[in-house]
Amino acid sequence: DSHMTQSPSSLSASVGDRVTITCRASQDITHHLVWFQQKPGRAPRSLIYGTSHLQNGVPSRFSGGGYGTDFTLTITNLQPEDSATYYCQQYRFFPYTFGQGTRLEIK
Amino acid sequence: EAQLVESGGDLIHPGGSLRLSCGGSGFRFSEFNLNWVRQAPGRGLEWVAYISGGSTVIHYADSVKGRFVVSRDNGRNFLYLRLNNLRAEDSAIYYCARQTNTDYWIDLWGQGTQVTVSS
Repeated sequence: DSHMTQSPSSLSASVGDRVTITCRASQDITHHLVWFQQKPGRAPRSLIYGTSHLQNGVPSRFSGGGYGTDFTLTITNLQPEDSATYYCQQYRFFPYTFGQGTRLEIK
Repeated sequence: EAQLVESGGDLIHPGGSLRLSCGGSGFRFSEFNLNWVRQAPGRGLEWVAYISGGSTVIHYADSVKGRFVVSRDNGRNFLYLRLNNLRAEDSAIYYCARQTNTDYWIDLWGQGTQVTVSS
């Protein structure tokens, strides 16, 4: 199985800050990585697919990068509505696997 | 607008069975691969099962293999998950999720249905 290790598990930042979340795969998943945002009581929402492609309607302050085993989600100019939990997920191999999540708090 | 709506969640005793449903609308249902993903209370996301558009390819997580059965009815635009021999650790919100038909990432989620396994 391709295990996904996400870090940090939580972080706190201020409005206007830039933050980066990392996700490491235990095997090469090429570009097959998606980032989701989930707010309490809501279903997840896709932000970035294929490692670096922005989903329609997602603000351009979100960006993704990486390839193979190491990936990043970067959020610039943090806004209050970015407070959420973020998950990476690989879709290269079955079983599909998620990172354990990063809880982002906006101070 | 494309939409997925789950139903069928309930409070069920350990060892019991349940069938979850997920109705799709606003898109050509048969052309899309679908998944079930669950989330236990206060926990992260866990992929459960996959079924291809024509039901020819099916995969399960090891944690549910042999107990859960995924199926679909493309004529009715419904996805199903039959949960058998339920355990307390199966308690979760169950989401159905659609994959795009290019590159195959999950682009659409339902709102989820709650399954609670307790005596």
